[in-house]
Amino acid sequence: ETAVFQTPNYHVTQVGNEVSFNCKQTLGHDTMYWYKQDSKKLLKIMFSYNNKQLIVNETVPRRFSPQSSDKAHLNLRIKSVEPEDSAVYLCASSSAWEQYFGPGTRLTVL
Amino acid sequence: GQQVQQSPASLVLQEGENAELQCNFSTSLNSMQWFYQRPEGSLVSLFYNPSGTKQSGRLTSTTVIKERRSSLHISSSQITDSGTYLCAGGNNKLTFGQGTVLSVIP
Repeated sequence: ETAVFQTPNYHVTQVGNEVSFNCKQTLGHDTMYWYKQDSKKLLKIMFSYNNKQLIVNETVPRRFSPQSSDKAHLNLRIKSVEPEDSAVYLCASSSAWEQYFGPGTRLTVL
Repeated sequence: GQQVQQSPASLVLQEGENAELQCNFSTSLNSMQWFYQRPEGSLVSLFYNPSGTKQSGRLTSTTVIKERRSSLHISSSQITDSGTYLCAGGNNKLTFGQGTVLSVIP
């Protein structure tokens, strides 16, 4: 099956903990993205990688760090989570302009 | 940066009625997509349509580049069409609108 896969589906943690989300795409795309959807349901780009190179880095707190081992994987690590990090994190990939999204990871910070 | 205005914010239809969703962009763009967001949060791509008109079943997307706008037409709405519709556009990244919450009632 060719698609964008994300793990975990859900994660509940406490303030100050570190979390890591995984994203893998089997579509053969060169570019991958992380988006955040907050409680107001607005989706915003966080990072974009092309062939393991960072090409888009929006203004996000330094505790967020993307990690790419190859062009099919783009993980997201959050050091010392804060309550405002509670959101749905969506991974996407593209070969040209059209983007394909994963199912998302819902993070709840207590 | 790119700003996206989506309208209406919400819409209630009786089953069988048509819907027209609008999306306006502040700057020119190379990419334009319409998505349906499932209740659990996953995004279903409805159309990749940077220009012109595309149709898929009861859905039609029309993008007019010069006017920096795109529309999604839903004909003969069904209860299962209920949900959130998102438009997004941009160049090397997508900027999303706030979404239209559609409710189709019997």
